[in-house]
Parts: sequence; C-alpha cells; structure tokens
Amino acid sequence: SAVISQKPSRDICQRGTSLTIQCQVDSQVTMMFWYRQQPGQSLTLIATANQGSEATYESGFVIDKFPISRPNLTFSTLTVSNMSPEDSSIYLCSVGEGRDTQYFGPGTRLTVL
Amino acid sequence: SQQGEEDPQALSIQEGENATMNCSYKTSINNLQWYRQNSGRGLVHLILIRSNEREKHSGRLRVTLDTSKKSSSLLITASRAADTASYFCAYNTGANSKLTFGKGITLSVRP
Repeated sequence: SAVISQKPSRDICQRGTSLTIQCQVDSQVTMMFWYRQQPGQSLTLIATANQGSEATYESGFVIDKFPISRPNLTFSTLTVSNMSPEDSSIYLCSVGEGRDTQYFGPGTRLTVL
Repeated sequence: SQQGEEDPQALSIQEGENATMNCSYKTSINNLQWYRQNSGRGLVHLILIRSNEREKHSGRLRVTLDTSKKSSSLLITASRAADTASYFCAYNTGANSKLTFGKGITLSVRP
C-alpha cells in the first residue's frame, strides 16, 4: 500500500487567513482525493485532484474556497481560503487505483479562531 | 442523501466479547469497505468486499454483504482494548473511484 504524508499535521489559524495543506505519496498514483471531516462527523469528499487539469469538485464545494493543485502523480495541495471557524475540521487526502481500496494520509487537524 | 448508515452509532463491550457493526446503503455498489479511525487520526483500511462476494475474513475480522438487503456487517471477534476506535463503512458505486462514507460507529472496548 502507498505511504502518504500530510503537512502540517495540525494548525491553529485566524479567521480570514488561508492555509495550504500538502499531501505527498511515496509512489505514483492515478487518483488523489481530498476529504473533510467536521468534528464528530463522517468524511465528506471535497474534490478529486486531477493531474494536469482542474480538480473535480463535489456539490457544495467550490474552487475559490478550496483551490487544489496536482502538479504530478505523487503530490497535491489543498488550500482552505478565507477561513472561518466553520472550517475547523480534519482534512484528509487519500489515494487509490481504480475502484478499489483507498489509502488515507494521517490528516491535518485545522482549528480556526 | 446517499450516505451510508451504520448501526449502532455507539457500542461498548467488554474485552474478549465480539462486536458486530452494521451498515446499510441505498444504491447499487461495486464494493464496500470498512475503515478504522483512532482518535481523529487518519483512516486505516480494514477490509474490502466486492458486490459478488458474500463473506470475507481477515484475521479477527469477518465481513458479510447482502446486496439484496443493501447491507453489510463487520464482526470483530475476541475484541481487545486496542480495537477501541471509530469504524466507518464506505462504498463505491462503480461509476468512478469515489467513496461514500457512512456516519460511523464508535466502539469502546473495556479492559
């Protein structure tokens, strides 16, 4: 299985600022995804990060708020823009091949004051 | 909502007992997976069962899938305190690689 790292592991930010989260995989993967997990809740898919093209966003998520980059097959970033306390969540990236198992990074715990 | 539903939402058992968690979903699926999450950390993949499979085992884990009832169960036998975690089912509908997650079950195993 792929080994996935995320940076930062946690952060505390002021409202109105932006945070960029990095996801690094130790091997080339086709599919990379970003999820949000609000406190005490399940995971919600934000977007699919596409290599070389714009990310595909799920309903309720927009590029202006969550810009995503994927410059190659091992790396992606998610930016949480103009943050508010409602953005306090764990953000997780995952990778997968085809329709099978997805492997998750350790998550980034974000607190917005 | 197409989100999966697990039950119970919380389960507390004694070490050594078996834990059974259920998951229901609403659409046709390609496969269903179970994940574990410890204390808000990353998810650990436990087991995947495909739509043409009915039962699968991995160590102390047993997963069943009933596509006619659109439900799955995860059985953890001889539970340990270290099994204390949140458990999520997630399914792939086959249209693409995306997973839809259930709401999760919190399992507490008392030593």
